[in-house]
Amino acid sequence: QSVLTQPPSASGTPGQRVTISCSGSSSNIGSNYVYWYQQFPGTAPKLLIYRNNQRPSGVPDRFSGSKSGTSASLAISGLRSEDEADYYCAAWDDSLSGPEVFGGGTKLTVL
Amino acid sequence: EVQLVQSGAEVKKPGESLRISCKGSGYSFTSYWISWVRQMPGKGLEWMGRIDPSDSYTKYSPSFQGHVTISVDKSISTAYLQWSSLKASDTAMYYCARSGDPWGQGTLVTVSS
Repeated sequence: QSVLTQPPSASGTPGQRVTISCSGSSSNIGSNYVYWYQQFPGTAPKLLIYRNNQRPSGVPDRFSGSKSGTSASLAISGLRSEDEADYYCAAWDDSLSGPEVFGGGTKLTVL
Repeated sequence: EVQLVQSGAEVKKPGESLRISCKGSGYSFTSYWISWVRQMPGKGLEWMGRIDPSDSYTKYSPSFQGHVTISVDKSISTAYLQWSSLKASDTAMYYCARSGDPWGQGTLVTVSS
């Protein structure tokens, strides 16, 4: 059971906007930055969002992150077939669970 | 180009020891933490621990404390993850990451009798 809670699956059609939620607590999301990773089958994860809402160079602006209280969200606008992947949220944790924890991952399907 | 290159796949028997490596290049190795992450077959990511290459200070997840050892040789810009006695449940893909970006390509460890 992961410290951060994500829906196991999400889906959308091309062009749609999809959001993936990540719920935590005051010891992790509530007091630290949130990170999002994208992972395609058989490949290493890639950093998608850092410090809640910052995109590394090369990440399309269709991807955006937000945080409010002890929850965070990843939004993907203008959904494309190549966005079909697993998405993980992560945050530092100030409790004994930490210092870094992941969500269980969300498998995004583009219909 | 910043890169982390991990050692190759390993097949071991229960009870054997193992050390896998992660070599950094294209940046100042001692300026960024190196983390290790486990991904069991068909499962999600689990953070195992991290090391500060500048002074070898390590921090482990409670789930992995005492089961693995993280170390570093900064003279060759390489971090290590090691087990003294493997179990079948250690079968997984292991990734290293430089403070979250980038990640190594992964090392598949298979433990089977």
